[in-house]
Amino acid sequence: GNSVTQMEGPVTLSEEAFLTINCTYTATGYPSLFWYVQYPGEGLQLLLKATKADDKGSNKGFEATYRKETTSFHLEKGSVQVSDSAVYFCALSHGSSNTGKLIFGQGTTLQVKP
Amino acid sequence: DSGVTQTPKHLITATGQRVTLRCSPRSGDLSVYWYQQSLDQGLQFLIQYYNGEERAKGNILERFSAQQFPDLHSELNLSSLELGDSALYFCASSAPGTPYEQYFGPGTRLTVT
Repeated sequence: GNSVTQMEGPVTLSEEAFLTINCTYTATGYPSLFWYVQYPGEGLQLLLKATKADDKGSNKGFEATYRKETTSFHLEKGSVQVSDSAVYFCALSHGSSNTGKLIFGQGTTLQVKP
Repeated sequence: DSGVTQTPKHLITATGQRVTLRCSPRSGDLSVYWYQQSLDQGLQFLIQYYNGEERAKGNILERFSAQQFPDLHSELNLSSLELGDSALYFCASSAPGTPYEQYFGPGTRLTVT
């Protein structure tokens, strides 16, 4: 079945370091891909999305490119800030287009130190 | 603030009991989703309602049920609670036409003792 695999955390970086969080997926058909972020004590927020192969989603300095050939959607940011410390979830859409069922990866905790 | 509200924030109850979690979606959103987040299972989709009707179902136990009311708020009912039901339960909503762009509430933390 459809699934998402993320790199295990926690990922600990110094401020202004380059960030990559790996995400690979298994899916039938052509799912849409998403990154959601969960700040401490809060619900998830949509960070970015890509709906077809080679699309690049971007938001708040974060980017991810939908790579069908490698079934990947890695999250990157050129220079992280302490405020980026959170749990990041990669997700894919599942089922027909009139449902909103998302399949999430296990989440990757990012800790950014000053 | 996502605009999605959930009550209560915390709930502590005993095994075998029944609880009801409540969610109010963002204004204008017709879809409501319920998720369970636990350390061992991660974030799992439970069920989706759209304008009062069930639209999609995930790994929701038979002991769990949900409904969406005419004013679009939703309730998740959990019965015959077990220790393993302890988790964070999130509600999310989305606007018509963008089902995967979901806005999550702050969650209800359920502890079963």
